[in-house]
Parts: sequence; structure tokens; C-alpha cells
Amino acid sequence: GESVGLHLPTLSVQEGDNSIINCAYSNSASDYFIWYKQESGKGPQFIIDIRSNMDKRQGQRVTVLLNKTVKHLSLQIAATQPGDSAVYFCAENRANQAGTALIFGKGTTLSVSS
Amino acid sequence: EPEVTQTPSHQVTQMGQEVILRCVPISNHLYFYWYRQILGQKVEFLVSFYNNEISEKSEIFDDQFSVERPDGSNFTLKIRSTKLEDSAMYFCAGMTGVGTGELFFGEGSRLTVL
Repeated sequence: GESVGLHLPTLSVQEGDNSIINCAYSNSASDYFIWYKQESGKGPQFIIDIRSNMDKRQGQRVTVLLNKTVKHLSLQIAATQPGDSAVYFCAENRANQAGTALIFGKGTTLSVSS
Repeated sequence: EPEVTQTPSHQVTQMGQEVILRCVPISNHLYFYWYRQILGQKVEFLVSFYNNEISEKSEIFDDQFSVERPDGSNFTLKIRSTKLEDSAMYFCAGMTGVGTGELFFGEGSRLTVL
């Protein structure tokens, strides 16, 4: 069965707004999570990751929150820009087992209008 | 910045033909992966490869698929007898295996089976 999924297939925001993209996972053994951004016609690009011993991690304009109690992951993008328009995937893995599959969710398409 | 290179960018083939997709991973990567993405859908794991053997494979990766790294550089995915449903973007990815579990993806090879 599917291990990782997203709540909404699409999200439309205005430039400058904050965006929140959500993801639910079901595999309790997962201990490493990544957000990827995929622009049209390109491969997924790493945005930010978080290990299960953390509940929050911040990058440049992005924050990932992990709630292990309800198996929920979110990506917050501050001051969203048109260049943020893309499909966003959460993915999970077992960080201590390199070579194992990184499992992707279905993706949320973020549309940013100016 | 080093990158994962994939060829061809697009291949059109007839059903039943053999196809080989090629990837040149980043030089310090030790773990290699193939993923596929059917148009508009999520990124699906096919196979992972380490130390010249398959580490893990999904149910998609049946007997029609094979991978090899014959010269220590190129990492190839072969589909022996293509089917219409093999039409997809195929992404190669690599990982160092040290520290984070971040996968670095190539730009993909689009396979169209007629």
C-alpha cells in the first residue's frame, strides 16, 4: 500500500502569501523525510529534509514540520514567489538504511499568481 | 555544480522493442536508483543499486527490467520488450550514502512506446 500521501492535489496562492503544503505518512518505521520540488519537465529537486528526532527544521524561506504522533509532515513556504510554482512531493525513507527506496507521495501542485 | 546526466532525453520506440536508458551519476555517489513517473502522477521507485548489485526493487521492476553499471561510470536501465504502459519519464538518482539520505535526480528520459 501507499506509504506517503498528500492532502490536497492543488494549492493556489497570491505572490507574497505564505504557503502550507501537507503530507500524511503511514509507515511508523520511517525516520527520514524529504520535500522535493519538481518544475515542469525537470527532475525532482531537494528542498529540505528532517529526521524523526526533530519536529521542525528551517531553511531559506522554507520550514518543515514533523508531527510523529499523527504521522503528519508539512512544508511552509514564506513569501511565496512565482518561481515557487511547481509540484511538491514529500518522500520518506529509513535513514539508517542507505540503498533502500525513497517513497514519494502523490504531489501537490502549487500555483502562485502575481 | 556536479549533476546527474541522463540520455536520451526522449526516446520513441515501438512496442516489443528493447530500450536502454543511460545515466552518468555524480562521481562520489555510491548508491544509484531508477524511478519512473507516468505523466501527471507521482514518482515511483523502481530499483536501487549498490556495490554492483540490486539492493531493493519494487513490484514494477519485473523480469523485463534490468540494471547494470558495466564500466563503473554509466548506470543503465534496460527494458527488454517495451509495453505501451512503459511510457513514462524515467529518472536516475544517486546518493553518497553518508550523512543525509538526499537523492540527487537527473533531468529524466522520456520514453514513448507506440
